[in-house]
Amino acid sequence: AQTVTQSQPEMSVQEAETVTLSCTYDTSESDYYLFWYKQPPSRQMILVIRQEAYKQQNATENRFSVNFQKAAKSFSLKISDSQLGDAAMYFCAYRSAYNFNKFYFGSGTKLNVKP
Amino acid sequence: GAGVSQSPRYKVAKRGQDVALRCDPISGHVSLFWYQQALGQGPEFLTYFQNEAQLDKSGLPSDRFFAERPEGSVSTLKIQRTQQEDSAVYLCASSSRTGGANQPQHFGDGTRLSIL
Repeated sequence: AQTVTQSQPEMSVQEAETVTLSCTYDTSESDYYLFWYKQPPSRQMILVIRQEAYKQQNATENRFSVNFQKAAKSFSLKISDSQLGDAAMYFCAYRSAYNFNKFYFGSGTKLNVKP
Repeated sequence: GAGVSQSPRYKVAKRGQDVALRCDPISGHVSLFWYQQALGQGPEFLTYFQNEAQLDKSGLPSDRFFAERPEGSVSTLKIQRTQQEDSAVYLCASSSRTGGANQPQHFGDGTRLSIL
């Protein structure tokens, strides 16, 4: 089974500054999809950004961007101009292109945003 | 509905009791997933439905766990003879198509189950 590792249990950032959350994964597959989800205290998982492994260009969604390094199996999330509403748990997730029934999630990073 | 709806939001049960958790997916969504999220952990896959067919139940931790989706819409996750280790948040997610691994899953707010 694929594994997803988030090595930072908790991080803090000052409002308006930039923070990067790390994620690495282990797979032998060549085609897959990667996602970052945000989970606020309300518990609902909200999609932040997604990346197709076959695309070399890093995905960007407004203040959120990724640094996808396929050879290194690394998928970090950069949040620019951090806002108080960004405070939440962030989960990195992997989905195979061949068996897409399952998402494999990391253990999460809790992001604190300081005013 | 506008989003995935789960009920109850909180459930407390005594060890040994049976519980049933409900998921109402987004209207028209074919795929439905159940996840178990232990405290401080990421969600872990339990089972997957395509319409009414349960195509993958490899994540169910024991035969005490049972899920159904008889009409291809609402789904129920049932846990029999609950144990303390069943305490977790149970998340339901749906997505619009069976194909396309790039299709995101839309999650509900989850049910927090506490077994005393």
